[in-house]
Amino acid sequence: SQTIHQWPATLVQPVGSPLSLECTVEGTSNPNLYWYRQAAGRGLQLLFYSVGIGQISSEVPQNLSASRPQDRQFILSSKKLLLSDSGFYLCAWTLGSHGYTFGSGTRLTVV
Amino acid sequence: QQQVKQSPQSLIVQKGGISIINCAYENTAFDYFPWYQQFPGKGPALLIAIRPDVSEKKEGRFTISFNKSAKQFSLHIMDSQPGDSATYFCAATSGSARQLTFGSGTQLTVLP
Repeated sequence: SQTIHQWPATLVQPVGSPLSLECTVEGTSNPNLYWYRQAAGRGLQLLFYSVGIGQISSEVPQNLSASRPQDRQFILSSKKLLLSDSGFYLCAWTLGSHGYTFGSGTRLTVV
Repeated sequence: QQQVKQSPQSLIVQKGGISIINCAYENTAFDYFPWYQQFPGKGPALLIAIRPDVSEKKEGRFTISFNKSAKQFSLHIMDSQPGDSATYFCAATSGSARQLTFGSGTQLTVLP
């Protein structure tokens, strides 16, 4: 069966520090991968998506970047965090014909 | 530009009652309409979904009603239970990359 792993679960980082969040999917090949951010009490905003290794599409210009070094690995990064980067970051995958499966999320607090 | 509008923002229902959440979309290219349920601190989980060639889909106590001409769809939760208390998101997808556009969410509280 397919599973998605996302870590860490929580993270507290100072302003200006770098960020690396990792997401991996098991049990499938060539999935579409997505990064979403959810601000407190609000909806989900699509940040990046990838349909293949090395293929990254950005939905919102911002302080973040994404990479897909392997078929089932998706990484969200920042060189210098801002206070506004705080939020709940969610990774998701799909094979295209069905709804997304989301990871358990990373709660990021920038202080 | 918000392409999926969801209402109400919050909803309080008595146990055993019917919960109804509504969504409207603008983009006629959307071809798949899922609903997600999210508990605090967790990722959203797919609840039920419908394609635009179907007017209604039922799974247990959960029903999606879909009106293609009005570009509206809704989630009905029958016999609502306290365990249904969560945030519900409607969504729509299109395109080869299957990007999901989410509604703003409805916080449902079912009173015991």
